[in-house]
Amino acid sequence: AQSVTQLGSHVSVSEGALVLLRCNYSSSVPPYLFWYVQYPNQGLQLLLKYTSAATLVKGINGFEAEFKKSETSFHLTKPSAHMSDAAEYFCAVSDTFTGNQFYFGTGTSLTVIP
Amino acid sequence: DADVTQTPRNRITKTGKRIMLECSQTKGHDRMYWYRQDPGLGLQLIYYSFDVKDINKGEISDGYSVSRQAQAKFSLSLESAIPNQTALYFCATSDSGASTDTQYFGPGTRLTVL
Repeated sequence: AQSVTQLGSHVSVSEGALVLLRCNYSSSVPPYLFWYVQYPNQGLQLLLKYTSAATLVKGINGFEAEFKKSETSFHLTKPSAHMSDAAEYFCAVSDTFTGNQFYFGTGTSLTVIP
Repeated sequence: DADVTQTPRNRITKTGKRIMLECSQTKGHDRMYWYRQDPGLGLQLIYYSFDVKDINKGEISDGYSVSRQAQAKFSLSLESAIPNQTALYFCATSDSGASTDTQYFGPGTRLTVL
């Protein structure tokens, strides 16, 4: 079975500081991994996804994530936080056996301090 | 116009009432999904549909039913609402159902059961 774990339900960073949101996965087969962002009162929007083409994946709004098989991780980073990055972030893994069924982590709420 | 729309956006109902949440999409996708989001739990899959004739239960289908009226429409029903069904509900779509496919989310319906 597939699953993801997001360490840290709340993360606070200063504006301009590095953003690091952690995601570890559990999968018996090569996983496909996704990061979504949810702004207040909105649905989820795709930030980036890993589909085995390249281990370093670049997404929208300056975010990127690196797939590390040895560490079973897919952490999300951004070099310099902006106030507009304040949101809830979800990591998800796609179930390769049943096609496109997603399993989501519990989410990390990012606060950016001016 | 939004590609995935949900109605209503907010609903307050009483225990025991029947309620229907509706989802429409203009993306032309075959696959549609219903999730619920609870604070600290992330998103959990309720039901998903591969096409109008194929509906499948997700992780937490008890107390819910669905109807796929057309490729573009997927409704979620609570036959007899109970307070622990108070949550944020999201509809999502994807194209072919490949494990690498992105899921596209609607804006959500906030349901409160009193």
